[in-house]
Amino acid sequence: AQSVAQPEDQVNVAEGNPLTVKCTYSVSGNPYLFWYVQYPNRGLQFLLKYITGDNLVKGSYGFEAEFNKSQTSFHLKKPSALVSDSALYFCATEDPYNQGGKLIFGQGTELSVKP
Amino acid sequence: DARVTQTPRDKVTEMGQEVTMRCQPILGHNTVFWYRQTMMQGLELLAYFRNRAPLDDSGMPKDRFSAEMPDATLATLKIQPSEPRDSAVYFCASTRGLAGGTNTGELFFGEGSRLTVL
Repeated sequence: AQSVAQPEDQVNVAEGNPLTVKCTYSVSGNPYLFWYVQYPNRGLQFLLKYITGDNLVKGSYGFEAEFNKSQTSFHLKKPSALVSDSALYFCATEDPYNQGGKLIFGQGTELSVKP
Repeated sequence: DARVTQTPRDKVTEMGQEVTMRCQPILGHNTVFWYRQTMMQGLELLAYFRNRAPLDDSGMPKDRFSAEMPDATLATLKIQPSEPRDSAVYFCASTRGLAGGTNTGELFFGEGSRLTVL
């Protein structure tokens, strides 16, 4: 079965420092991978996706993610963190061979950016 | 600004009562998902529809939960009877399904319905 794992429940970063939120995947075939962000008391918002092509994917709010096939990882990164980036981040995968393409989410990582 | 609309935003009810949550997907989106979010389980997929037809409801407790799409502009999730363990935030999301069965991958989520069952 397709799955993603987020090994860290929480990541703490100082404002202005680079941030990384980790995600590993277990997918048969070519993976479809996504990152979403959830602010308090809000629904999830799409950040970026990897389907095929360039391993470095750029998304919203200055975020990017690097697809690494050998390490089966899809880590989310940002060069300089903002306090407003504090939120819950979800990695997800879609089974491209499953009719309807349902998204399976990881457990989420809480990012805290301190001034 | 197109968005997924969910009602109610908050619902407090007593054990045994029927609860119905409603979702209006974005116009033109033909794929609708229901997710449940709890601290312990994270985000769980309950059911989803493509062109109003249910594709997968394996994540849903069948004895008390039911999901339907009476028309393209309305999706409902019903719990009868409700139990305290159903307390969670229920999210509806929609997307435009592509030919061949995949999606664009960008799901649009509603703000959620927070359910508390006492």
